[in-house]
Amino acid sequence: QQQVKQSPQSLIVQKGGISIINCAYENTAFDYFPWYQQFPGKGPALLIAIRPDVSEKKEGRFTISFNKSAKQFSLHIMDSQPGDSATYFCAASYSGAGSYQLTFGKGTKLSVIP
Amino acid sequence: GAGVSQSPSNKVTEKGKDVELRCDPISGHTALYWYRQSLGQGLEFLIYFQGNSAPDKSGLPSDRFSAERTGGSVSTLTIQRTQQEDSAVYLCASSPVGGRNEQYFGPGTRLTVT
Repeated sequence: QQQVKQSPQSLIVQKGGISIINCAYENTAFDYFPWYQQFPGKGPALLIAIRPDVSEKKEGRFTISFNKSAKQFSLHIMDSQPGDSATYFCAASYSGAGSYQLTFGKGTKLSVIP
Repeated sequence: GAGVSQSPSNKVTEKGKDVELRCDPISGHTALYWYRQSLGQGLEFLIYFQGNSAPDKSGLPSDRFSAERTGGSVSTLTIQRTQQEDSAVYLCASSPVGGRNEQYFGPGTRLTVT
């Protein structure tokens, strides 16, 4: 059972454009939703995260939009740059009893072309 | 400060051999996680350590996999009698006290079983 579904698998965006990656989750107990950025040969790096008590969080060019009723969240990258070319993973976890383990989406490979 | 470090960065082993992978978490982080990243399965949780509590081993795929954490710091993931399907990148992450959702990943160990 895939608890976090991510789309698209790959995305090509022109420099300066907006990149949008979407995720949907099934487990309503999830209460923490991070996005990770991964470059080839590197580990995932925490980019931005949101909790369900807010609908949007912005950090620089990166924004998370969160829709609790639809159980969906998305990452928007404004003014996309070639240096943003990487694989992006959404994830979810919950803070109840347990390990806070992250459940990941399958990833989106973003290519920003000049 | 220093991030999560892992060693070795690459490991090639023959089927049936045992391997040990090492993780040094960020200093002061009390929680430590192991994940596996493979092309077919994406990023999967393996095991979680928090202080002196019993580890959460719910993600270990078989009894050939084990892990320990000594002195609340360094962790070793051991895979016995390796199989070709164990080939993957093994990632370690750590979290600070009071922020167990925020997981910071190391660069990973790429394991190849021939």
